[in-house]
Amino acid sequence: DTEVTQTPKHLVMGMTNKKSLKCEQHMGHRAMYWYKQKAKKPPELMFVYSYEKLSINESVPSRFSPECPNSSLLNLHLHALQPEDSALYLCASSQLRTSGRHEQYFGPGTRLTVT
Amino acid sequence: DQQVKQNSPSLSVQEGRISILNCDYTNSMFDYFLWYKKYPAEGPTFLISISSIKDKNEDGRFTVFLNKSAKHLSLHIVPSQPGDSAVYFCAVYNTDKLIFGTGTRLQVFP
Repeated sequence: DTEVTQTPKHLVMGMTNKKSLKCEQHMGHRAMYWYKQKAKKPPELMFVYSYEKLSINESVPSRFSPECPNSSLLNLHLHALQPEDSALYLCASSQLRTSGRHEQYFGPGTRLTVT
Repeated sequence: DQQVKQNSPSLSVQEGRISILNCDYTNSMFDYFLWYKKYPAEGPTFLISISSIKDKNEDGRFTVFLNKSAKHLSLHIVPSQPGDSAVYFCAVYNTDKLIFGTGTRLQVFP
């Protein structure tokens, strides 16, 4: 099973709202990721979690707040977003780098629109 | 500065023929490379990978070739099928990160 699930599929929020994106995997992976993809652009890394600890933050604004409650779940909390934050938000998971396998498995994404 | 480049934004191939997608990278220290396929409104799907100790890796209709001296990799799809129509991204692995190229839109026509 190589499935990563994400909810919701679509989200529309105002600039003063607080919302959360959720991601779940049951592949036993201990590394999880958040990416952002704008139209006609490649995915860009935002955050990396290894063993439920934040290991990489790609200088993401603090209005995005990640959380990893356990090894299967990853959340992205959103607050006071700007219209330019509208994008497809992708979650991914992988084995740890020590395994020698570096492929990441992606969920279907959450299409976020900030109004 | 784009570390991974796919210079062809689009490619059109007849069904049954070979599709060749190309990718160039700038850093000779990169040692693991991947290809992903992406349909609209879906996440990228992993296709095939190759480490720098090899120059070729094959999986069914998909073969990835790596030319380390040229810092170039390519994905061959043989035979191409209409269901292969999608955007293809190459990616390099760099210390827990994947750095993606800009993508090539492949269209396979009957």
